[in-house]
Amino acid sequence: NAGVTQTPKFQVLKTGQSMTLQCAQDMNHEYMSWYRQDPGMGLRLIHYSVGAGITDQGEVPNGYNVSRSTTEDFPLRLLSAAPSQTSVYFCASSSTGTANYGYTFGSGTRLTVV
Amino acid sequence: GQNIDQPTEMTATEGAIVQINCTYQTSGFNGLFWYQQHAGEAPTFLSYNVLDGLEEKGRFSSFLSRSKGYSYLLLKELQMKDSASYLCAVRKGSTLGRLYFGRGTQLTVWP
Repeated sequence: NAGVTQTPKFQVLKTGQSMTLQCAQDMNHEYMSWYRQDPGMGLRLIHYSVGAGITDQGEVPNGYNVSRSTTEDFPLRLLSAAPSQTSVYFCASSSTGTANYGYTFGSGTRLTVV
Repeated sequence: GQNIDQPTEMTATEGAIVQINCTYQTSGFNGLFWYQQHAGEAPTFLSYNVLDGLEEKGRFSSFLSRSKGYSYLLLKELQMKDSASYLCAVRKGSTLGRLYFGRGTQLTVWP
């Protein structure tokens, strides 16, 4: 099993550009979420989903959109990139069968907005 | 946001024991997780507590007191490879509820 796959691993954007960070899992997990990690700030929840067709906001949702059309995929869209969105982004997934064993994280996307 | 506090940095020597504390204030508590994160890598699961008490897993143990809003991670027989950031995270709500993280404790193990 591949687990949680994130693409791309690195990306540089210009201010105002839009892009989509991809996240896919092959474990049939119901729950998926996006975090950003900044120095000294820890992991902060952006958006999450408890199943296909259901999404909700986390702590820092502004400037980001998500959708969950399938169980496997949970893309994160940056509508108009800003330097404040420079960060490392992690996607994570879990299910009721593994919820007590933590959340599985992807390897991350390092995004720089110039 | 959620109020989850842990020390920013700790140091210890190889072979020693270190305890990393985490305090939290949240409604709808449904479990506390500890993760390990090496520089440039994704967090990996270490332990989970939902009831009061101690959970032991090899060299790592985790303790929870729900009434005090307090947890600690105990690392024994420290090795150089244990140098990493240790993240305390609280699950809020249902079994598939949101996971909120503290800022992490950077542990450096010296020879």
